[in-house]
Amino acid sequence: EDQVTQSPEALRLQEGESSSLNCSYTVSGLRGLFWYRQDPGKGPEFLFTLYSAGEEKEKERLKATLTKKESFLHITAPKPEDSATYLCAVQANSGNTPLVFGKGTRLSVIA
Amino acid sequence: DAGVTQSPTHLIKTRGQQVTLRCSPISGHKSVSWYQQVLGQGPQFIFQYYEKEERGRGNFPDRFSARQFPNYSSELNVNALLLGDSALYLCASSSDRVGYTFGSGTRLTVV
Repeated sequence: EDQVTQSPEALRLQEGESSSLNCSYTVSGLRGLFWYRQDPGKGPEFLFTLYSAGEEKEKERLKATLTKKESFLHITAPKPEDSATYLCAVQANSGNTPLVFGKGTRLSVIA
Repeated sequence: DAGVTQSPTHLIKTRGQQVTLRCSPISGHKSVSWYQQVLGQGPQFIFQYYEKEERGRGNFPDRFSARQFPNYSSELNVNALLLGDSALYLCASSSDRVGYTFGSGTRLTVV
């Protein structure tokens, strides 16, 4: 069974204090690993898709990396507007399979 | 270009009632998926439709049903509502080449 575990569940950072969020996964052949940002009461907002181990993608203060067992979302010099829940999801490489999500990491950045 | 639109945004139902949620995908996207997100959890897969055919079903009871129309819009129906059905219901559309784009969701409260 495909599974995603995110840690920590919650993270509180001071503005400018860099850190990383972890996403560990088990999947029967990885088609893609997805990172989303979700604000309270809103739908997930797409950030990145990673397809193979060693791949990295960046967007503003965010950088996502992928290994064969886990992915990291690095946040450099975060700002209060980066506060949100960050969701990780995997899609298996077998037919038209759905996304399997982790529970998310709730990030709070304090000014 | 309009994103994924869902309606209504919020609704309150009584236990035992039936509810219909609606979703319009991004223009050109032929696949629609439905997810349920309970507070504090990641989204859970309910259904996926592609070209009006069901392509996948998650671990939800038969009270949940869905369909996709010729214009690729979709409806999710839930019968005999339970308190535990209270959640944010998310619709996502996708094409063959891009990942999943989510709507803002419908917040369902069952009282």
